[in-house]
Amino acid sequence: GQNIDQPTEMTATEGAIVQINCTYQTSGFNGLFWYQQHAGEAPTFLSYNVLDGLEEKGRFSSFLSRSKGYSYLLLKELQMKDSASYLCAVMDSNYQLIWGAGTKLIIKP
Amino acid sequence: IAGITQAPTSQILAAGRRMTLRCTQDMRHNAMYWYRQDLGLGLRLIHYSNTAGTTGKGEVPDGYSVSRANTDDFPLTLASAVPSQTSVYFCASRQEGAYETDTQYFGPGTRLTVL
Repeated sequence: GQNIDQPTEMTATEGAIVQINCTYQTSGFNGLFWYQQHAGEAPTFLSYNVLDGLEEKGRFSSFLSRSKGYSYLLLKELQMKDSASYLCAVMDSNYQLIWGAGTKLIIKP
Repeated sequence: IAGITQAPTSQILAAGRRMTLRCTQDMRHNAMYWYRQDLGLGLRLIHYSNTAGTTGKGEVPDGYSVSRANTDDFPLTLASAVPSQTSVYFCASRQEGAYETDTQYFGPGTRLTVL
């Protein structure tokens, strides 16, 4: 079956760094996406990885290892506004997205 | 209109009633999707459409139907609502292509409560 695993909740301190992990098992692979979702709002796109390695976008970076079925999202210089859920999703062989349940990130001052 | 709009924003519905959730996009994206999001679960695909005139079933299609008469609109209909359909519904669209153009963009969502 298809499965995306990520931690349910994480807590971090303002100004610190946090890494959110995602492991996956899917039928086919056409890329891995990270989305941010604030409470009561729609998911918004953060990053996309299709090749192994690190993609950096400002304070956010995303890493992919296809052989290990593993990705992480790295958030640096945490701000209170980064308090949100972070969703990992894999695009399968049919170009459909398979979603993890999301990781709720709590930022403390 | 800019992006994807959904209507209504929220709705309380009596069980057994028929309800249509509306979704409109102005980005001329080919593919559109309907998801439901429930606490503790990932987004689950209900129905999708790869292009106007075609639709397909997702992971949880039972009790729902869709149509895609044109590129912009993708309504979702609950023929006879049941309490288990209480959820937040998101419509999304995607422009087929390479790299980040495969990204799905989401509407603001409809919060539906079936009593």
